[in-house]
Amino acid sequence: HVQLVQSGAEVKKPGASVKLSCEASGYTFTTYPTHWVRQAPGQRLEWMGWINAGNANTEYSENFQGRVTITRDTSASTAYMELSSLTFEDTAVYYCASGEQQLVFDYWGQGTLVTVSS
Amino acid sequence: SYELTQPPSVSVSPGQTATITCSGDKLGDKYVCWYQQKPGQSPVLVIYQDDKRPSGIPERFSGSNSGNTATLTISGTQVMDEADYYCQAWDSSVVFGGGTKLTVL
Repeated sequence: HVQLVQSGAEVKKPGASVKLSCEASGYTFTTYPTHWVRQAPGQRLEWMGWINAGNANTEYSENFQGRVTITRDTSASTAYMELSSLTFEDTAVYYCASGEQQLVFDYWGQGTLVTVSS
Repeated sequence: SYELTQPPSVSVSPGQTATITCSGDKLGDKYVCWYQQKPGQSPVLVIYQDDKRPSGIPERFSGSNSGNTATLTISGTQVMDEADYYCQAWDSSVVFGGGTKLTVL
């Protein structure tokens, strides 16, 4: 069955960058897109961007333009999300998500907590 | 930017019907998904393309979308349905609603 397994929790200082991973199994990695969605404490889900795992094309939310980079390693069936210039407001749980249809998130990773603290 | 508006909370008694709305400009022209999220867990897709149910989602979950409002209906609500529910659509980018906390008591 489909699984998305994310990397472990991170603690970063303001101004630093963080790079998270999302390893897919149970399907051909290049078949489905991988999206990244975050959720700050007590807040709504917020879409960050996505990658076409087949051709590596990406699209990012305007809210994160210039700060987020999504990449993938097809040999490892893994997608990555790097967020730079972190501020306290970037403290959140970050999820990767995927699905058979674009813009429908059938599958979700377990989430990675990123804490930005001085 | 496009916005989706949900009521912050909805309460229902067990066995009754819960209705959660999601409003947005001409939302009926877009496809809407609904996700259920329980505390400390990842979201789960319960409705996609307005009214389709993924495999494994109970028949008591249904959806509709027309005009400016999409609706998630849970018939015969069970205590296990208590969760936050988020609507999601696309308008130049993926947009989520603010979430509705469903209380079953």
